[in-house]
Amino acid sequence: GNSVTQMEGPVTLSEEAFLTINCTYTATGYPSLFWYVQYPGEGLQLLLKATKADDKGSNKGFEATYRKETTSFHLEKGSVQVSDSAVYFCALRGVNRDDKIIFGKGTRLHILP
Amino acid sequence: EPEVTQTPSHQVTQMGQEVILRCVPISNHLYFYWYRQILGQKVEFLVSFYNNEISEKSEIFDDQFSVERPDGSNFTLKIRSTKLEDSAMYFCASSVPGQGAPSYGYTFGSGTRLTVV
Repeated sequence: GNSVTQMEGPVTLSEEAFLTINCTYTATGYPSLFWYVQYPGEGLQLLLKATKADDKGSNKGFEATYRKETTSFHLEKGSVQVSDSAVYFCALRGVNRDDKIIFGKGTRLHILP
Repeated sequence: EPEVTQTPSHQVTQMGQEVILRCVPISNHLYFYWYRQILGQKVEFLVSFYNNEISEKSEIFDDQFSVERPDGSNFTLKIRSTKLEDSAMYFCASSVPGQGAPSYGYTFGSGTRLTVV
C-alpha cells in the first residue's frame, strides 16, 4: 500500500538557516504529493503540493520538487524565520478518485532567534 | 477563502459518555473525511464519506464510531461510548472531485480537541 516516510524530529535551527526536511514515499503510479503545516494550537494547513514528476510546489518561501526517480518530495527553505516553527507533515494521495490522503509522522521544527 | 468549520474547539467528556463532533464542510465539496491525531503522533485516517454513505473506513473506526450528514450542511462524528484512548485532536476535512481529482488536497478544519477523563 501507499506510505510516506519523513525525517524524525525535532529539528532545531537558528534564524536564517537553510532548512531541509526529507520525505520519501511508496506508491504505485504518480500520486499527488503535499506538505501540510500545523502551527502550535492550530489545524492542518496546506503549504504546497505537486501533482506530477518534476513539478515544484512553492509557497511562503518553501519549495519541494516531485522526484519520481528517487520517490522523494523534500521540503526546503533558504532562510527560516522564528515564525516557521511548527510541525510539518508530508502527505500523498493516490491516483484513484477514492484514494485518501495519508500522512507521514510529522517533523517538529524549532527556529531559534 | 472558504473554510471548514469545526465545533466545539475543545470538549471534555467522561469515559463512557457519548460525544458528537460537528463539522461544516465547504459548501460545494462532495467528499468528507475525519482524521484524528493523538497528541504528538501521526495524523490517522478514520473515515471518508461520499454520496451519503461511508466510502472507506480504517480499523480505528469500529462500531463505537458513526458519521452522519443530517441536513446537507453538517457532517458529524459520533463516538458512542468514549474511552480514555479516544482522547485526541479530531480533524474534519472536505474535498471536491473533478478532473484530476486526486491532485486536490483537502481543506481541513482547525480541529476539536477531545479529552476523555
